[in-house]
Amino acid sequence: AQSVAQPEDQVNVAEGNPLTVKCTYSVSGNPYLFWYVQYPNRGLQFLLKYITGDNLVKGSYGFEAEFNKSQTSFHLKKPSALVSDSALYFCAVRAPLHSGNTPLVFGKGTRLSVIA
Amino acid sequence: NAGVTQTPKFQVLKTGQSMTLQCAQDMNHNSMYWYRQDPGMGLRLIYYSASEGTTDKGEVPNGYNVSRLNKREFSLRLESAAPSQTSVYFCASSAGLASPDTQYFGPGTRLTVL
Repeated sequence: AQSVAQPEDQVNVAEGNPLTVKCTYSVSGNPYLFWYVQYPNRGLQFLLKYITGDNLVKGSYGFEAEFNKSQTSFHLKKPSALVSDSALYFCAVRAPLHSGNTPLVFGKGTRLSVIA
Repeated sequence: NAGVTQTPKFQVLKTGQSMTLQCAQDMNHNSMYWYRQDPGMGLRLIYYSASEGTTDKGEVPNGYNVSRLNKREFSLRLESAAPSQTSVYFCASSAGLASPDTQYFGPGTRLTVL
């Protein structure tokens, strides 16, 4: 069965500094990996995904994530944080399609706080 | 194009009452999902429907039932609400489980069971 871990409940970063939100996964085979963001009192919004190909994936709002198969990680990054990036971030994983058509499994979320 | 819509936005129930949460999508998606979100627990899958006419249990199905009414609509029913079902409920949809596609989420229903 697949699983995903977000080791940090909270990440604090100063505005203008680079940010990283960590995610590691466990799945048999090559995973499909996703990042979502949730602003207060809103639903989840898709940020980016890794399916295959280039390990560095670029997404919305200047975010990017790097797939590292050897470390089973998919960390979310942004070169320069904005106060408006403050939100709850979720990593999610799906097993390869040949393992069965299983839905996404989400991590517990990491709250990002960008301080002006 | 409204995407995924959910009704109601807020609901307060007494223990033992029943209610149905409604979800509809206008993206012609095949697959639909119900999640609950609790502090420190992330999103947990309750039920999902891979395609019209099928439903499957997720991680936390106890106390819930679902109906895939047609391709657009997927409802979640609480037959006898309990305080442990106090949560925020999200509906989502995707083109289909047969491809690694993106799930799109509704705005959520905040449910309190007293």
